[in-house]
Amino acid sequence: NAGVMQNPRHLVRRRGQEARLRCSPMKGHSHVYWYRQLPEEGLKFMVYLQKENIIDESGMPKERFSAEFPKEGPSILRIQQVVRGDSAAYFCASSPPTSGGASYNEQFFGPGTRLTVL
Amino acid sequence: KQEVTQIPAALSVPEGENLVLNCSFTDSAIYNLQWFRQDPGKGLTSLLLIQSSQREQTSGRLNASLDKSSGRSTLYIAASQPGDSATYLCAVKRLTGGGNKLTFGTGTQLKVEL
Repeated sequence: NAGVMQNPRHLVRRRGQEARLRCSPMKGHSHVYWYRQLPEEGLKFMVYLQKENIIDESGMPKERFSAEFPKEGPSILRIQQVVRGDSAAYFCASSPPTSGGASYNEQFFGPGTRLTVL
Repeated sequence: KQEVTQIPAALSVPEGENLVLNCSFTDSAIYNLQWFRQDPGKGLTSLLLIQSSQREQTSGRLNASLDKSSGRSTLYIAASQPGDSATYLCAVKRLTGGGNKLTFGTGTQLKVEL
């Protein structure tokens, strides 16, 4: 069973460009989480998604950031008009659902995408 | 608001030493607590997960304890090896009202020297 996959592993963008980060959860997992690790800081929660639904986006910046998890295909974290402060490692995690649709199970993390904004 | 603190921020020990990493959290209403390992430039590897009803979990040379009432967890590493060198993170999941997000500590950077 392949783990959580993220691509690209490294992404370089110039200020003002768009960044698209992709995450494929583990097989059988329908819950996806995005976290951001800024330089010299801890990991911070950004957003929690289930298939076609955003469940909790309390950690997402109000502007320029969006996330989706379509019925088919990977989850996408999209950053529009990137600025230097967006440079960070972005981690995706996934977990399986429990009965009733909620998920309190262990989260498994991908290798991350390291975004550098020039 | 949940805050997670890890002490020490950095630790250097000689090979073979037993060591303890500390994690404290301000809100004891947690569902579970996880310990992770992060190698430089890499992702997170889950080491141990302790449910709120449990007191400890063991895996090989690792033992994690949880004292929910006092808001503390410890990660004990026995007979440390150079390959244990990494950053160790603890993270808690809130019991209710916080969704399923993990709140992370800032980590302890461990170096095990030959």
